[in-house]
Amino acid sequence: KQEVTQIPAALSVPEGENLVLNCSFTDSAIYNLQWFRQDPGKGLTSLLLIQSSQREQTSGRLNASLDKSSGRSTLYIAASQPGDSATYLCAVWRLTGGGNKLTFGTGTQLKVEL
Amino acid sequence: DGGITQSPKYLFRKEGQNVTLSCEQNLNHDAMYWYRQDPGQGLRLIYYSQIVNDFQKGDIAEGYSVSREKKESFPLTVTSAQKNPTAFYLCASSLSSSSAVLGELFFGEGSRLTVL
Repeated sequence: KQEVTQIPAALSVPEGENLVLNCSFTDSAIYNLQWFRQDPGKGLTSLLLIQSSQREQTSGRLNASLDKSSGRSTLYIAASQPGDSATYLCAVWRLTGGGNKLTFGTGTQLKVEL
Repeated sequence: DGGITQSPKYLFRKEGQNVTLSCEQNLNHDAMYWYRQDPGQGLRLIYYSQIVNDFQKGDIAEGYSVSREKKESFPLTVTSAQKNPTAFYLCASSLSSSSAVLGELFFGEGSRLTVL
């Protein structure tokens, strides 16, 4: 059974700091990994999708890496801003006979302070 | 604008009542999903559908039912058999559920169900 862990559960940083969020998974036979952002009481917003053949993906100030062999992914946020405050979730894809399914981590709650 | 619309945003239900949550998408996606989110837990898959008139149980399907009569719509019914229905429910869709490249998931804004 795939288990996905995100550490730390909560993180508080001053504005402007570069930071790294971690995501670990137990079964390295994944196909893709997706990072999401969730604001309080809202749905999830897709940030980055890393395919299994890729090692990293970039979008603006965000960079996500994937190391399947070690079961790890990191989300790097450069020059953090108060608007980055949210919960960040990673999810790993597995292909089953019934199609793709995601297993989610419990998230890291980020607060960027002025 | 293209997207996924969930309604209602907030719903209150008395014990013993069935309720139906609506999910509509205009993204022309084949696959649709229902997840449940509880505090301190990751999202858990309730049901998913790869194509019209077909759906499969997820990890926590007991006490729930779905239908997929139209490509755009995937309503979820929370029945009285669901022991702990109070939760935040999220609907999602993807272009395909069988392609690793096309499987990026997009979510609606969620529906919060409270059982009184």
